[in-house]
Amino acid sequence: DQQVKQNSPSLSVQEGRISILNCDYTNSMFDYFLWYKKYPAEGPTFLISISSIKDKNEDGRFTVFLNKSAKHLSLHIVPSQPGDSAVYFCAASADAGNNRKLIWGLGTSLAVNP
Amino acid sequence: GAGVSQSPRYKVAKRGQDVALRCDPISGHVSLFWYQQALGQGPEFLTYFQNEAQLDKSGLPSDRFFAERPEGSVSTLKIQRTQQEDSAVYLCASSLLQGRQPQHFGDGTRLSIL
Repeated sequence: DQQVKQNSPSLSVQEGRISILNCDYTNSMFDYFLWYKKYPAEGPTFLISISSIKDKNEDGRFTVFLNKSAKHLSLHIVPSQPGDSAVYFCAASADAGNNRKLIWGLGTSLAVNP
Repeated sequence: GAGVSQSPRYKVAKRGQDVALRCDPISGHVSLFWYQQALGQGPEFLTYFQNEAQLDKSGLPSDRFFAERPEGSVSTLKIQRTQQEDSAVYLCASSLLQGRQPQHFGDGTRLSIL
């Protein structure tokens, strides 16, 4: 039973346009959400996170939106660049003391075309 | 070093052999996590350490899997009597202890069992 779902396995956008990656979750106990970027043969690289007390967090070209009532979050990349081409993972954690183990989606492969 | 370091990067073993995977976390990071990532999947939680204490090993798939962090820094994941289904990428992550902190990952060890 997938608690974190990324329903789009792949996404292709033109350079300079907006990329929107989506993520849904089922566990209402999740209170911290993260996006990671992964290149082949490398580990996941942390991009941006959001706490459940917020509905938006922005860092440069990256913005994450959280809709708690819909149990949905999205990552916006504006403008998209060819170097953004990678697999993007959504992950979530619940408050379990200091053990914030991450529950992951299956990832979305983003291709940004020049 | 500045990041999480894992070794070896690649490991090939015959079925039935024992293997040991090493993780050197970011200096000062109290929390350490191990994850297993199968091909085409998101990472799945294996175990969590707070300093030298293993507080959660609920994700270890069998008693053939053993992890330790004896001095609260370097950690070793050991798999005894390896089987083909153990083939995966093993990722180590570390983070600061308190609050909602992102986990920072190494590049992983790709384990192939023949």
